[in-house]
Amino acid sequence: NAGVTQTPKFQVLKTGQSMTLQCAQDMNHNSMYWYRQDPGMGLRLIYYSASEGTTDKGEVPNGYNVSRLNKREFSLRLESAAPSQTSVYFCASSPPTARNQPQHFGDGTRLSIL
Amino acid sequence: GNSVTQMEGPVTLSEEAFLTINCTYTATGYPSLFWYVQYPGEGLQLLLKATKADDKGSNKGFEATYRKETTSFHLEKGSVQVSDSAVYFCALLAGGTSYGKLTFGQGTILTVHP
Repeated sequence: NAGVTQTPKFQVLKTGQSMTLQCAQDMNHNSMYWYRQDPGMGLRLIYYSASEGTTDKGEVPNGYNVSRLNKREFSLRLESAAPSQTSVYFCASSPPTARNQPQHFGDGTRLSIL
Repeated sequence: GNSVTQMEGPVTLSEEAFLTINCTYTATGYPSLFWYVQYPGEGLQLLLKATKADDKGSNKGFEATYRKETTSFHLEKGSVQVSDSAVYFCALLAGGTSYGKLTFGQGTILTVHP
């Protein structure tokens, strides 16, 4: 019963480096999401994918790109990391009729940019 | 737009004390409302939900009632335990949304002492 799996769990980068955060879900959900969590600000949506083959910007997309590789996988890429991107990143997924079935979350990736 | 406002934290209580965490929202239409809980080092887990006015969601001794007239969804528990120490997030899913894009409050840190 894996649910939503994120890798890596921890990462330290230097300013300007690039990296990709991986997310996979095994619940056959159509929609997937990337959030960042910062102290006192709750979760802010970076990008989402309503269904396979589509992606859309959320509240804070600048500095990020995403790829919906297939129905299971949704990756988040930082092309040139900045200290302001130090955060905890969460991936989530939800089924197509989500009104009564909210999102399922991974355990997060803790990312530090030096 | 949609928004969720939670009471300022952190909240510190003694074991067996009564808990209230206030949550108010702004949304068009008829949103569904949720409380998520995040234990240290983990992702968010759904705690309870309510999908229409006057519904009461409940789970693990926690309760919240969907009050349309006051646009509120306050979380309560009669007797907290040390194991309830976590961050609590109120969230809404706007009415008519065909997939699960949630709007979160900023989170409230709860610490329960023995």
